[in-house]
Amino acid sequence: DQQVKQNSPSLSVQEGRISILNCDYTNSMFDYFLWYKKYPAEGPTFLISISSIKDKNEDGRFTVFLNKSAKHLSLHIVPSQPGDSAVYFCAASDRRGSQGNLIFGKGTKLSVKP
Amino acid sequence: GAGVSQSPRYKVAKRGQDVALRCDPISGHVSLFWYQQALGQGPEFLTYFQNEAQLDKSGLPSDRFFAERPEGSVSTLKIQRTQQEDSAVYLCAVWALTSGEEETQYFGPGTRLLVL
Repeated sequence: DQQVKQNSPSLSVQEGRISILNCDYTNSMFDYFLWYKKYPAEGPTFLISISSIKDKNEDGRFTVFLNKSAKHLSLHIVPSQPGDSAVYFCAASDRRGSQGNLIFGKGTKLSVKP
Repeated sequence: GAGVSQSPRYKVAKRGQDVALRCDPISGHVSLFWYQQALGQGPEFLTYFQNEAQLDKSGLPSDRFFAERPEGSVSTLKIQRTQQEDSAVYLCAVWALTSGEEETQYFGPGTRLLVL
């Protein structure tokens, strides 16, 4: 039973446009959410996070939105750049700090075309 | 990242062979996590250490998997009698603060294990 779901395996976007990656979760105990970016042959790289007490967090071109009632979060990338092409993972934790392991979705492969 | 190195980066093993995968975080990280990432999947939790204590090993898929962190720094994940289904990327991670004071798990580059 998947607790974190990324229902779109892939997404293709034109350079300069907005990329929207979606993630749904089922466990209402999750209180911290993270997005990671992964290139081949590398470990996941942290992008941005959001606590359940917020509904939006922004960092440069990246914004994460959290809708707790819908158990849904999304990552917006504006404007998209070819270097953003990678696999993006949504992850969730029910305990912040040193005791929380992360539950990951299966990832969405983003392709940004010049 | 927070300085997590893993070795070897690639490992090819014959079925039935034992392997040892190493994770070496920079000093000061209390927590250490191991994950397994199969092809086309997200990372899945294997086990967690707080200093030298293994507090959670609920994700280890079988008793062929064993992890240790005897001095609370370097950790080793050992897989005995490897099977083809053990082929995956094994990731090590630690919790740390970003420059923007956000908590995150920093991951090492992973060890890609291929069992033939």
